[in-house]
Amino acid sequence: DVVMTQSPDSLAVSLGERATINCKSSRSVLYSSNNKNYLAWYQQRPGQPPQLLIYWASTRESGVPDRFSGSGSGTDFTLTISSLQAEDVAIYYCQQYYDSPLTFGGGTKVEIK
Amino acid sequence: QVQLVQSGAEVKKPGASVKVSCKASGYTFTRLTLQWVRQAPGQGLEWMGWINAGNGNTKYSQKLQGRVTFTRDTSASTAYMEVSSLRSEDTAVYYCARNNDWGYMDVWGKGTTVTVSS
Repeated sequence: DVVMTQSPDSLAVSLGERATINCKSSRSVLYSSNNKNYLAWYQQRPGQPPQLLIYWASTRESGVPDRFSGSGSGTDFTLTISSLQAEDVAIYYCQQYYDSPLTFGGGTKVEIK
Repeated sequence: QVQLVQSGAEVKKPGASVKVSCKASGYTFTRLTLQWVRQAPGQGLEWMGWINAGNGNTKYSQKLQGRVTFTRDTSASTAYMEVSSLRSEDTAVYYCARNNDWGYMDVWGKGTTVTVSS
């Protein structure tokens, strides 16, 4: 199985400041034939289901604010929230869809400092 | 708009079975696959498997293989997830999620809470 490891487990950021979440896969999720990274990011607000934010490692889902961005390739990925808003308090998960079984990172909890 | 509406919360005794439904609307049900994901209290997301809503093919996580069954009713645009021989560790919120053509989940149901308790 592809193991997804997120860091940190939690972080507290002041409103308007940058939040950075890391995700590392145990093997590359870059498919060479199409040069795409099979990596998605989800946001889960308290008491809500997960919501897709980013796919193909860096493509924002329709309707997702542009303060959210994804980067990285191969085994190392980052989700950045450029200017944290109150509604961004949530747990963020990365997920690989390169191989079965699909696997998620353990989650990173983002709070307001 | 695309929606996945799940059935209501369930409380079951150990050893029993539970069946959760997921009704899709707003898109052609048989064109895509539905994933099932569960989340134990205070824990992360665990992938359970998927069902191809068009041909009924399924894939299950190794952990749950043999205890979980996915089915679908195309006339009702509804998918079902059944877990048998329930244990306390199966207490969780169970989500269905639409799998687009590639493997990421772009629409999620609100979840069904299943509590296993004697």
